[in-house]
Amino acid sequence: SQQGEEDPQALSIQEGENATMNCSYKTSINNLQWYRQNSGRGLVHLILIRSNEREKHSGRLRVTLDTSKKSSSLLITASRAADTASYFCATDVASTGANNLFFGTGTRLTVIP
Amino acid sequence: DAGVIQSPRHEVTEMGQEVTLRCKPISGHDYLFWYRQTMMRGLELLIYFNNNVPIDDSGMPEDRFSAKMPNASFSTLKIQPSEPRDSAVYFCASSLGGHEQFFGPGTRLTVL
Repeated sequence: SQQGEEDPQALSIQEGENATMNCSYKTSINNLQWYRQNSGRGLVHLILIRSNEREKHSGRLRVTLDTSKKSSSLLITASRAADTASYFCATDVASTGANNLFFGTGTRLTVIP
Repeated sequence: DAGVIQSPRHEVTEMGQEVTLRCKPISGHDYLFWYRQTMMRGLELLIYFNNNVPIDDSGMPEDRFSAKMPNASFSTLKIQPSEPRDSAVYFCASSLGGHEQFFGPGTRLTVL
């Protein structure tokens, strides 16, 4: 499978703490994206990091990419109860020449107020 | 912009019936994707279109599934006949240039 895999599957933290989620994938990529899904809703794009980038920031989000290890991490700093959601990584695979994404299995984050 | 619009939001039907899911992408977007999400299999890409043309339908589970995009502002996903194992949430997403995807709210399908 070309799907990414997130780790951990579930994460529970206190409000104000940082949350780190990891994603591993198997093939060369053009870019890697992170999405959030609130319960009962569609996915929302958070951030895109290209294969030639190593780190990217957006507000309280920090994403790193290590193409040699085929892994990425998403850090949410100073978490809030509203950050409670499932987080997915999605890879734009280089070899397919297509524009579809392969989504991982997701990390379920719970932020306790 | 209203975002990606899907209808119906919920559909309950009996095995053997035809089901049609509808999607209106964001105006100006040139890619449209159909996904299925279940607890067991996660999020699966079924088919995607570029400029109304189907590009990759390798994710369509079987001949009971078909998708069309007659114009840039409308797409349908049809299941005929439906089976209980088709029960899932079906998402439509659109994008410009095939990168960041914007998802609709999904259609929760239950086949009894």
